[in-house]
Amino acid sequence: KNQVEQSPQSLIILEGKNCTLQCNYTVSPFSNLRWYKQDTGRGPVSLTIMTFSENTKSNGRYTATLDADTKQSSLHITASQLSDSASYICVVSLEYGNKLVFGAGTILRVKS
Amino acid sequence: NAGVMQNPRHLVRRRGQEARLRCSPMKGHSHVYWYRQLPEEGLKFMVYLQKENIIDESGMPKERFSAEFPKEGPSILRIQQVVRGDSAAYFCASSPLLTDTQYFGPGTRLTVL
Repeated sequence: KNQVEQSPQSLIILEGKNCTLQCNYTVSPFSNLRWYKQDTGRGPVSLTIMTFSENTKSNGRYTATLDADTKQSSLHITASQLSDSASYICVVSLEYGNKLVFGAGTILRVKS
Repeated sequence: NAGVMQNPRHLVRRRGQEARLRCSPMKGHSHVYWYRQLPEEGLKFMVYLQKENIIDESGMPKERFSAEFPKEGPSILRIQQVVRGDSAAYFCASSPLLTDTQYFGPGTRLTVL
């Protein structure tokens, strides 16, 4: 069964600190893996996208890693800001990329 | 270039009524996807459409739910005879090509009383 598991379910950190979110998947055949940020009450916004041949991708303070052998990905957020408070969703694409399998997300709260 | 538009943003219906959710994709995008998000859960794929065609509806319940993407106008997700379990956020996404990143709309939050 195609599944995407994320951990932790929720996380609270102080402003300025770093954090790492985890994603494990059992999706096959794998096309690519994306991390989305979803602010409360809004639609998800793409942060990074990686194919199986890429093992790291950065977007500003966000750095995603991918280990296609162990089927694990992580999203590292550096020097967190209050605006980083959101749900971070790991999404894996099947086949040619049109069907997405979503993780339940990690809810991040950054406190001042 | 306006993003993906969805309306209404909030919709309240009583059990047994019909709900019609609209999605206007980004300009130039011909692929539309509908997702449902229940509270505390991830988004679940419902249906994938191109203009005038349903490509994949494997995630959509067989009864009461239908979707269309006409040649002119927005994509419509229709839920007939709504029940309380239909209460959720419904997101639409669009992409220009099959394998491109999907851009999501703000969602429609359906509440069934």
